[in-house]
Amino acid sequence: QSALTQPASVSGSPGQSITISCTGTSSDVGGHHYVSWYQQHPGRAPKLVLFFVTKRPSGVSSRFSGSKSGDTASLTISGLQAEDEAHYYCSSYTRSTSWVFGGGTKVTVL
Amino acid sequence: QLQLVESGGGVVQPGGSLRLSCAASGFTFSTYGIHWVRQAPGKGLEWVAFISYDGRNKYYADSMKGRFTISRDNSENTLYLETNSLRPDDTAVYYCAKDAGARGGYGLDFWGQGTLVTVSS
Repeated sequence: QSALTQPASVSGSPGQSITISCTGTSSDVGGHHYVSWYQQHPGRAPKLVLFFVTKRPSGVSSRFSGSKSGDTASLTISGLQAEDEAHYYCSSYTRSTSWVFGGGTKVTVL
Repeated sequence: QLQLVESGGGVVQPGGSLRLSCAASGFTFSTYGIHWVRQAPGKGLEWVAFISYDGRNKYYADSMKGRFTISRDNSENTLYLETNSLRPDDTAVYYCAKDAGARGGYGLDFWGQGTLVTVSS
């Protein structure tokens, strides 16, 4: 159950688009579509922003989108806003009937 | 509205035990799987355990197997985590989180505010 690999930090200016990668293996990310993404502001509980790789829960902005290629999933935030500054975590179901998170990515809005 | 309220955290000595609880309201508790996820101070999220809607299926992270036990009481709308043989690296905020599906895999769509467990002598 090794953690999924995410970049430690990503930054962008307001209005720009950024992409966060999440790399696993064929036993997790590459093996199915049970990949989700979470946003966490300091001192707050995480919030689901994407599930099933590309699906947005009700109430989540359409500026958040997802994709997957092979063992790597990606979260793209378009039209970056100050409120998007937070930590983002990917997560995947694994072949060994468990779940695993990525190490997290700090998004900074310049 | 949906609520998940964790309790039972505190300070415990290495080797000790704690029973964490998560009281649910605002949704049909018995139809959803529930996870425990923890977060050490200043660190990332770590998945701990999952229990299916009916309690029949339980899964654990390797580092917790044999030490932690997840259970649920659907008549009381409550989730539990028995933690034993606690170590200093178990120090973390423990969150309960509702899965959007009955058997897991649909994303953790609602989280509690967490309960802090500190393992220290």
